[in-house]
Amino acid sequence: SQQGEEDPQALSIQEGENATMNCSYKTSINNLQWYRQNSGRGLVHLILIRSNEREKHSGRLRVTLDTSKKSSSLLITASRAADTASYFCATEPSFSGGYNKLIFGAGTRLAVHP
Amino acid sequence: NAGVMQNPRHLVRRRGQEARLRCSPMKGHSHVYWYRQLPEEGLKFMVYLQKENIIDESGMPKERFSAEFPKEGPSILRIQQVVRGDSAAYFCASSPPPSVGGYTDTQYFGPGTRLTVL
Repeated sequence: SQQGEEDPQALSIQEGENATMNCSYKTSINNLQWYRQNSGRGLVHLILIRSNEREKHSGRLRVTLDTSKKSSSLLITASRAADTASYFCATEPSFSGGYNKLIFGAGTRLAVHP
Repeated sequence: NAGVMQNPRHLVRRRGQEARLRCSPMKGHSHVYWYRQLPEEGLKFMVYLQKENIIDESGMPKERFSAEFPKEGPSILRIQQVVRGDSAAYFCASSPPPSVGGYTDTQYFGPGTRLTVL
């Protein structure tokens, strides 16, 4: 299996609820990033958390990183229909040679219903 | 400051033809990455280039695929003699050089080129 595996694969919630997505990875990393992709579109960078950080916030987003468990979570609070998208975690392995060679998971497909 | 630009956005080719995908990085960015995304999957790294140099092409198929990033002009991903399995979305991303201390910066992605091979 690949580095950066998200779960669940799909998540369906109502507007106003919180959405939590998890990501696990295998190797040591420099940083972990979360991206959003609307259907048929490009990727939008959401947040980057470095290996020496444990938690980061950006608006309604909260990301945690547990390097001992090699896992991260993305929490979207008070979800909106516009949050409907696929969410990917991507890791920059420590062995990436000093450049940002990202390894992506397969993504979580989030559907927020009005 | 325009974002990463890719063209064409959609490309249709018949089996055996050549596909050329272009990527113009953000202004000031000298690092370009190409990724491929198959339907319902995440992105897979293909190649990393700096101006006039291929740094890492470990994710690129050995045959039919090539990439360049010339001194002037966009980065080009070239697929010769396309096959149906090449149908995918191809994304380009750019970033500035790593900052002092070795931290790399965020990668900024283009909108992608969706290649369909008939």
